Amino acid sequence: QQQVKQSPQSLIVQKGGISIINCAYENTAFDYFPWYQQFPGKGPALLIAIRPDVSEKKEGRFTISFNKSAKQFSLHIMDSQPGDSATYFCAASKGYSTLTFGKGTMLLVSP
Amino acid sequence: DAGITQSPRHKVTETGTPVTLRCHQTENHRYMYWYRQDPGHGLRLIHYSYGVKDTDKGEVSDGYSVSRSKTEDFLLTLESATSSQTSVYFCAISDRVKVYEQYFGPGTRLTVT
Repeated sequence: QQQVKQSPQSLIVQKGGISIINCAYENTAFDYFPWYQQFPGKGPALLIAIRPDVSEKKEGRFTISFNKSAKQFSLHIMDSQPGDSATYFCAASKGYSTLTFGKGTMLLVSP
Repeated sequence: DAGITQSPRHKVTETGTPVTLRCHQTENHRYMYWYRQDPGHGLRLIHYSYGVKDTDKGEVSDGYSVSRSKTEDFLLTLESATSSQTSVYFCAISDRVKVYEQYFGPGTRLTVT
């Protein structure tokens, strides 16, 4: 049973465009929703995270939008750059328990 | 990589042989995790540890065992490697309070022939 569903699997965006990756979850007990960024040959790294009592969080060009009633959250990358090309994972955690990851989105930003 | 090392970084082994992967941290974090990453499956938790000698199973624990005798070391053992265990293995650490904030090691690419 996949508890965090992520879409799309892959995404191609032109330089300067907006990249949008969506995730949906089922377990309403989740209380933290992080996004991780992974470059080829490297381990994932935390990018940004949000709690369910906040509808939006912005850090630079990266924004998480959270819709608690729909049990959905999304990552928006504004002014996408070729250096943003990476695989992005959404995730969810519950208390002191473990993280559940989505299956990932491979983003390619074309020059 | 936040003071996390994994060894070996690459390994090729034959079906049926035992394999041990090591994760070492210098951050004194209480929680340590082992994940495997496969195309189309994302990151899947194998086992994790919430303290010395305290471990628990993750989503895909069959065929794997772990041990943690010191805060800084977390070992993953494949008792009898199979081709389905060919994967990239990542170790991660976190503070007890911020489980959502995990720091990942560089990974170990394991090929079972």
